[in-house]
Order: sequence, then C-alpha cells, then structure tokens
Amino acid sequence: QQPVQSPQAVILREGEDAVINCSSSKALYSVHWYRQKHGEAPVFLMILLKGGEQKGHEKISASFNEKKQQSSLYLTASQLSYSGTYFCGTEMGNDYKLSFGAGTTVTVRA
Amino acid sequence: DAGITQSPRHKVTETGTPVTLRCHQTENHRYMYWYRQDPGHGLRLIHYSYGVKDTDKGEVSDGYSVSRSKTEDFLLTLESATSSQTSVYFCAISEVGDSSTSGELFFGEGSRLTVL
Repeated sequence: QQPVQSPQAVILREGEDAVINCSSSKALYSVHWYRQKHGEAPVFLMILLKGGEQKGHEKISASFNEKKQQSSLYLTASQLSYSGTYFCGTEMGNDYKLSFGAGTTVTVRA
Repeated sequence: DAGITQSPRHKVTETGTPVTLRCHQTENHRYMYWYRQDPGHGLRLIHYSYGVKDTDKGEVSDGYSVSRSKTEDFLLTLESATSSQTSVYFCAISEVGDSSTSGELFFGEGSRLTVL
C-alpha cells in the first residue's frame, strides 16, 4: 500500500527550510527517502529503521515516528541543488518490499 | 555508481504485441525490482526478486510477468501490451542482510515504453 506524501509541491528560495511528510496507514519497519532530478533515476538519500537507527545523507535530516507511522524529511538552508522530486518509500515488514509515495516536487530558486 | 543496465532505453510498440525489458547488474546483489513511474502515482512496484527463480508480485502486477534465471538478469515481460502500460520502467537492485549496507535501492536509468 502506497504511503501518502505531503505537500505535493513546494517552492523555496535559497536558504529557506522545508518539511516533507510521509504517512502510512499500517505499521512500518523502515522508511527510505530518495531524490529524483528531472529525466534521471531516483537516488538514495537515507533510511530510517524501526528502533531509531538512521543511515544516509549528511546534510539532509529526517525523523521517524513509529507510533504515528510517519516520517518527515527536513531540508534545511536549502540550496539550488536540492531541487527535484522527493519520494518516501516504506517497508511494512522486514521483507525488502518497498512501496513509494507519489512524490513531492521541490523547486529552489535563487 | 552501481552497475545496472536497462535495455532497451526507449521503445515504441503497438497494442497487443509482446514486449520484454531487460535489467542487467554487475553487482551480484540478491534483490532486484521492477517499478513503473507515472505522473501523480510516483513509483509503483510491479514485481521483485529475492534470488534466482524466486519472485513475488508487487502492487501493480496484472499484465506483467518476470523471470530471473541468473543472478545478474531480471526480465520484465508484457505478454500483450496495452496503452495503459505506457510508462517509464525502472529496475532497481539492493543488497540486504549485510550490516555494512543500508539496504538502499540503486536504480537503473529507466526504460521509456510507449504503447500505441
């Protein structure tokens, strides 16, 4: 079952912050975050595991609320290179079967 | 970059014809996935494989079949293509079960399929 992402789109100026949310109706084992530039393949940003472990990107942070079955991605002091579509991927069991949300398009302007 | 190659990268075909997309990896990763990407829907899982000859259905598997006879190759077949299968198809690989990895997916460059 696909997770729900919000907002669908956000426009920022360089240096501004944004939050992207991802929620599921079912309990989650892990949450992944990916970014896709136009015409390119999605690229891994980070994974958050049940129990609090987090692996991935140094400059972009995220949180995972297991009880609420939600994750949030924090874009802090945004740069032009942050532009793209962000996808969360959720895994409900430890089965390596990842379902993605519809994506959030981020546009960062100078 | 992970060694993943998809072929063909672009294909135009007619309704009712069979189509096979190939995903080839040089990483010896155990898990392989096929996703389709459509506007407003993000990435939707079609089928995935967790080993040679071990496959399972995803969210949108109707009209698609897969095969994996070798670790490095994962084939996606549309037995009789329909216009609703016009999409961009992404293959992805992952290595899990190893504490040194994060379980991330590495995606291929995508195959754009148009069914007329």
